[in-house]
Amino acid sequence: EVQLVQSGTEMKKPGESLKISCKASGYSFADYWIAWVRQMPGKGLEWVGIIYPDDSDTRYSPAFQGQVTISADKSISTAFLQWRRLKASDSAMYYCARDPHGPAAFLDTWGQGTLVTVSS
Amino acid sequence: ETVMTQSPATLSVSPGERANLSCRASQSVSDHLAWYQQKPGQAPRLLIRRASARATGVPARFSGSGSGTEFTLTISSLQSEDSGIYYCQQYKNWPPTTFGQGTRLEIK
Repeated sequence: EVQLVQSGTEMKKPGESLKISCKASGYSFADYWIAWVRQMPGKGLEWVGIIYPDDSDTRYSPAFQGQVTISADKSISTAFLQWRRLKASDSAMYYCARDPHGPAAFLDTWGQGTLVTVSS
Repeated sequence: ETVMTQSPATLSVSPGERANLSCRASQSVSDHLAWYQQKPGQAPRLLIRRASARATGVPARFSGSGSGTEFTLTISSLQSEDSGIYYCQQYKNWPPTTFGQGTRLEIK
């Protein structure tokens, strides 16, 4: 069974750094793009960016370029989303999802989400 | 950026009836259009890809149609478990791929 399991809820202060994870199982991790999607409280879905784990080819939405960093470690079948300096406006649910025909296509398997809360 | 506009914002339909959800793109996306269902507290679930191809395990009462800029998700014979928010996504013009703002489907 294809599965993406994300790291747990995070509560951080503005200015702190954060790295959340998404561990894949049930398929060849290196061969499929992994996307990150943001959902702010009560709002819709926003595509953050995407990575191809085999060669770490990464693409970002212009709205998120420079604000976050996407990475992957294929030795542990895990993708990451990180922030150097969090802002309150980064508070949201973040999903990772598999893109079977990337680098930009539909998302066929989703993680359960990681809730990030940034507050002083 | 391609803007996706969904209508209506909220739809209330009785069990057994049909629901038609619309999605309009600000420019042509060909058939590079997906539909997702999201229930409260859950991640989105892929329903339709390539405008009309049902994802694995999706019941046949879900169907998609359209191309270019106008798309429709039809749910025939609604069941109580079909309530939730439905999103369309275009993946023709990127970055970024973009989602509609969602249609909330309520079962009366």
